[in-house]
Amino acid sequence: DTEVTQTPKHLVMGMTNKKSLKCEQHMGHRAMYWYKQKAKKPPELMFVYSYEKLSINESVPSRFSPECPNSSLLNLHLHALQPEDSALYLCASSRSDRRNEKLFFGSGTQLSVL
Amino acid sequence: RKEVEQDPGPFNVPEGATVAFNCTYSNSASQSFFWYRQDCRKEPKLLMSVYSSGNEDGRFTAQLNRASQYISLLIRDSKLSDSATYLCAVTVDGTASKLTFGTGTRLQVTL
Repeated sequence: DTEVTQTPKHLVMGMTNKKSLKCEQHMGHRAMYWYKQKAKKPPELMFVYSYEKLSINESVPSRFSPECPNSSLLNLHLHALQPEDSALYLCASSRSDRRNEKLFFGSGTQLSVL
Repeated sequence: RKEVEQDPGPFNVPEGATVAFNCTYSNSASQSFFWYRQDCRKEPKLLMSVYSSGNEDGRFTAQLNRASQYISLLIRDSKLSDSATYLCAVTVDGTASKLTFGTGTRLQVTL
């Protein structure tokens, strides 16, 4: 019942492929996030966008390239990934990026890199 | 020391039992605290925020102890459907909702 929609739900790609993950929300939220979660580990923050501007990059390798075309959309472009990048990629949004705002997550994209 | 720590469990409890989880955080400047529930291969879902005065939502009660730097979650009258991983999350950054999650505590409620 999440109001944050992620596509695709599953993605298998080779190390030379280029693919994109998409995230959409229509709650009027102005902060959007990408998290990465490996099996049996907690989600780890990758990027934060606030009012369509990148505000936080948690030292993520350049093979991951985020994009925020407008306030409702968030993309994550993938290129030359490694097998260790296989994980669940979660998009989240909140009303703003203030510390006490609640985050709402999409159902994630399960990515496998071969 | 990890920023946010939880006992991974699993906690195996019978239906109807009361179970409590703790979560400790290392940064005394932490401001916001949350409990999330995550089912296997699903996204985390916000269960409740944790306020200084403590708060209750049905069978769930959350408490914050700033002096000892931990938060707790109490589940009363456990249901089979409560079986999940419970993640605590703490905001440690002053300007953004930069949540840091604990590793989660696995709860298994049995008949």
